[in-house]
Amino acid sequence: GAGVSQSPSNKVTEKGKDVELRCDPISGHTALYWYRQSLGQGLEFLIYFQGNSAPDKSGLPSDRFSAERTGGSVSTLTIQRTQQEDSAVYLCASSLGPKETQYFGPGTRLLVL
Amino acid sequence: DQQVKQNSPSLSVQEGRISILNCDYTNSMFDYFLWYKKYPAEGPTFLISISSIKDKNEDGRFTVFLNKSAKHLSLHIVPSQPGDSAVYFCAASAFQGAQKLVFGQGTRLTINP
Repeated sequence: GAGVSQSPSNKVTEKGKDVELRCDPISGHTALYWYRQSLGQGLEFLIYFQGNSAPDKSGLPSDRFSAERTGGSVSTLTIQRTQQEDSAVYLCASSLGPKETQYFGPGTRLLVL
Repeated sequence: DQQVKQNSPSLSVQEGRISILNCDYTNSMFDYFLWYKKYPAEGPTFLISISSIKDKNEDGRFTVFLNKSAKHLSLHIVPSQPGDSAVYFCAASAFQGAQKLVFGQGTRLTINP
């Protein structure tokens, strides 16, 4: 079956522009996570969606970051007024339930010039 | 504040020998631990996990050991194969399952023929 997919695979933008990153989770998975990996660092939790519950936004680094999940499936992570320190690989993961194994997509590599 | 630490950025092992990857954590609330493997340009893939009620979990060539008193876990791969060459991430959760994972920085494992 299809795994987690993310688009675009690469994104180059200018400082100050807004970007949208998309995640298509595995069909039937109720939990969806966003992480980011900065150069030389481990993955950093950003936000977590579980079913119809309010998302856990505790990992978002600033109010320039937001995410939504429409219809319990596709998710979009939006970064407004991008800064150079936002450059990272943004990874999405989904799981069958809230504490189940997370399956990761290939990530979107974001470069802010 | 790095709650999960992998102090060895790289490790080189001869094919057929044992690979031992180490991970230390500081948060005593962590009760579930995982290892992920990552190839270039791909998302991390789940390898093996362990609950804090256990001290060992084995799956084929992979064994994870947990020492709660030392706040230390390790991944043993035996025998090591060339296809094991990848970056390995240790991750931890405080939710009795794979939720809101906190990752280490990763260890690049190279298996030499």
